Amino acid sequence: GENVEQHPSTLSVQEGDSAVIKCTYSDSASNYFPWYKQELGKRPQLIIDIRSNVGEKKDQRIAVTLNKTAKHFSLHITETQPEDSAVYFCAASIKNSGGSNYKLTFGKGTLLTVNP
Amino acid sequence: GAVVSQHPSWVICKSGTSVKIECRSLDFQATTMFWYRQFPKQSLMLMATSNEGSKATYEQGVEKDKFLINHASLTLSTLTVTSAHPEDSSFYICNGEDRVFGYTFGSGTRLTVV
Repeated sequence: GENVEQHPSTLSVQEGDSAVIKCTYSDSASNYFPWYKQELGKRPQLIIDIRSNVGEKKDQRIAVTLNKTAKHFSLHITETQPEDSAVYFCAASIKNSGGSNYKLTFGKGTLLTVNP
Repeated sequence: GAVVSQHPSWVICKSGTSVKIECRSLDFQATTMFWYRQFPKQSLMLMATSNEGSKATYEQGVEKDKFLINHASLTLSTLTVTSAHPEDSSFYICNGEDRVFGYTFGSGTRLTVV
């Protein structure tokens, strides 16, 4: 089955700096890679996702890059703010052409702390 | 957008009792419901996958007789933790899937077994 590795497990940055979180996956059939932000005791919130036919996607201060050959993808947050502090999870799954999704396999998470 | 309503949001029960958690998909039909468990400071671990009208598929190491999943309709899926023990204390969260909206998480249930 799919195995998703995520690094680092903790990341502390100063407000305004950039933060990068990296993930690798094992199943070459995976073609959908979402990133979630989870605050304590709450549900994961989708912040950005990328499909395997795209190498990069950006949404304001957040961007995701994907290297299919190397089977790794990264989350980039620029101009970090204290409210970005949370646990971030990467995930991988297979989305087939009919639209049905397979199970999401999550990385172990990264605790991001943005210091004011 | 799609919403999955999950209840209860928290529950405290005595050891040996059973607890039922409900997830209802609002404004969409969840053809598949994934059930996850999350221990403190850990990731979301998939417990089982259920499709409407069929038996759930459990992940390795998850006892199907202990964690009963029912997905009787496209809008309702339930997880029953039977004979709960303190080690079952965790955050349980459902994740509904449909072809239009993709994945939608419920709000989670904090279970504490005393």
